[in-house]
Amino acid sequence: SQKIEQNSEALNIQEGKTATLTCNYTNYSPAYLQWYRQDPGRGPVFLLLIRENEKEKRKERLKVTFDTTLKQSLFHITASQPADSATYLCALRSGYALNFGKGTSLLVTP
Amino acid sequence: NAGVTQTPKFRVLKTGQSMTLLCAQDMNHEYMYWYRQDPGMGLRLIHYSVGEGTTAKGEVPDGYNVSRLKKQNFLLGLESAAPSQTSVYFCASSSTGSREQYFGPGTRLTVT
Repeated sequence: SQKIEQNSEALNIQEGKTATLTCNYTNYSPAYLQWYRQDPGRGPVFLLLIRENEKEKRKERLKVTFDTTLKQSLFHITASQPADSATYLCALRSGYALNFGKGTSLLVTP
Repeated sequence: NAGVTQTPKFRVLKTGQSMTLLCAQDMNHEYMYWYRQDPGMGLRLIHYSVGEGTTAKGEVPDGYNVSRLKKQNFLLGLESAAPSQTSVYFCASSSTGSREQYFGPGTRLTVT
């Protein structure tokens, strides 16, 4: 069966450091992968989409890598800030819809 | 633009009662989705629609029905609510099946 795995343990880091979140998947042959941010009590918000041939994509302080051989995506936030504290979800296409990982909670402390 | 809106924001039902959740989007998106989110379970797809007048089942469709009579609206119905349907419900839309999804603010439903 298809699985998307994200670290269920919360990631605590100090302000200014780089946060790295992992998304592993099995039984998908994705053409692209998406990352979303979700704050408590709110709906997820789209951050980045990376295609299978892109390997790496950047947006401001965010960087995403996509390794289809390892079946893994890494999501980096450089120079992290307390405002980056949230849950981050990765998502893969399944038919006409998206399947989401359960998310990793990030806490950035001053 | 309001984006994706959901009505109501909160609701408490008794077991066996029925209700309809309304989702509206003003982005002219073809695709719309209903998810539920439970602690430790992540987002799970209930039903989705690839265009006006079409609907399809997702991962957890039992106990729910949907309708897409107008392109901008996607309704989720619970005919006979059960405590297991206590959850936060999110609606989302996208221009195509491969593009990013835009989510509404969610509806917190409690069934007692």
